[in-house]
Amino acid sequence: EAGVTQFPSHSVIEKGQTVTLRCDPISGHDNLYWYRRVMGKEIKFLLHFVKESKQDESGMPNNRFLAERTGGTYSTLKVQPAELEDSGVYFCASSHGTGRYEQYFGPGTRLTVT
Amino acid sequence: AQSVTQLDSQVPVFEEAPVELRCNYSSSVSVYLFWYVQYPNQGLQLLLKYLSGSTLVKGINGFEAEFNKSQTSFHLRKPSVHISDTAEYFCAALSGGSNYKLTFGKGTLLTVNP
Repeated sequence: EAGVTQFPSHSVIEKGQTVTLRCDPISGHDNLYWYRRVMGKEIKFLLHFVKESKQDESGMPNNRFLAERTGGTYSTLKVQPAELEDSGVYFCASSHGTGRYEQYFGPGTRLTVT
Repeated sequence: AQSVTQLDSQVPVFEEAPVELRCNYSSSVSVYLFWYVQYPNQGLQLLLKYLSGSTLVKGINGFEAEFNKSQTSFHLRKPSVHISDTAEYFCAALSGGSNYKLTFGKGTLLTVNP
């Protein structure tokens, strides 16, 4: 069974540019999550999808971040325009349906905004 | 709000020595607890989890953790570490109910020296 995949693995962009991160969850997992780790800080929750619906987006920093999950499959996280403080590692995770609490993480996308 | 504290940011040990990585959580409701490991240049891997039942939980690679409700702790232990255990370890908590977001500690970097 393939794990959670993320693309790209690294991205370096200039302040003000746009970047789109992609996550492909484990097949059959209804739940998809985005987390972020800023350097030196803990990993923090950004948002949670159940299929194509946003269940909880309380962790999204501001309206420069837009997440979508087309057809309940893969998800994208767009940052527009990027700021220096957006630098960090963005993790995607997925889990099965209700009552299955284990979340399986992807390798992360390291975003550097210069 | 849920919080997770990992008291040690770095733990250096010698090969074949025992190790304990400490984790404390705060929650007034039922909680599910997890340890994740991140090896260099890799994603987060689930090491073990406590959902219910026996308070001593065994995970992969010889690690185990004990859930202690009275002390609100979930310390990770291994009786004899290997060089290959060098990694960053994250304790995480998930509150019961419909809230699926994980709250992470800041991580503990375990360095195993020969």
